[in-house]
Amino acid sequence: QVQLQESGPGLVKPSQTLSLTCTVSGGSISSGSYYWSWIRQPAGKGLEWIGRIYTSGSTNYNPSLKSRVTISVDTSKNQFSLKLTSVTAADTAVYYCARGVPTVVNWFDPWGQGTLVTVSS
Amino acid sequence: SYELTQPPSVSVSPGQTASITCSGDKLGHKYACWYQQKPGQSPVLVISQDTKRPSGIPERFSGSTSGNTATLTINGTQAMDEADYYCQAWDSSTVVFGGGTKLTVL
Repeated sequence: QVQLQESGPGLVKPSQTLSLTCTVSGGSISSGSYYWSWIRQPAGKGLEWIGRIYTSGSTNYNPSLKSRVTISVDTSKNQFSLKLTSVTAADTAVYYCARGVPTVVNWFDPWGQGTLVTVSS
Repeated sequence: SYELTQPPSVSVSPGQTASITCSGDKLGHKYACWYQQKPGQSPVLVISQDTKRPSGIPERFSGSTSGNTATLTINGTQAMDEADYYCQAWDSSTVVFGGGTKLTVL
């Protein structure tokens, strides 16, 4: 069964770039017609979709973050990555990676365990 | 931008039926899914496409839609069902989540 695991620095300074990687295990990131997404959740708040990528390289981003976000995929490593530039304290959150099923609703299953990223000097 | 509205909180007694709503413009013409998130854990998909229940999800969880509202229903609510619940839809190439509903079983 497919599992996802986020990794990356837990602390990022303001104005710098947040970089996270999601490693997919238990299956090939290229198999099936799935897409791969990043979602975040500030402490005590709701979920916010950041964006997604297909293994073809095609991407979609949340319009509110689009100017600062890049999602990429490395099929040879079975990984996909997130870069968020010019971070501020408002970007402090638990970041999840998830597999997306491209249907009329595009649900996510499974999710990674999440990684807390704090933006602070 | 598209918005999904959920009640912040819902309370239910053990063994009773809990209903959590999710409203959005023309949601009846789209599809919604639902996630359960317990404290300190990742969200888990409980309803995948309005009414479909993924394997491993108890039968007491069901989904429905009417007009602009999707509803997650939990029959015979158990203490273990206490969690935050989020609806999600897809609009204009964007994933949208509702604000979440805290279900309290008391």
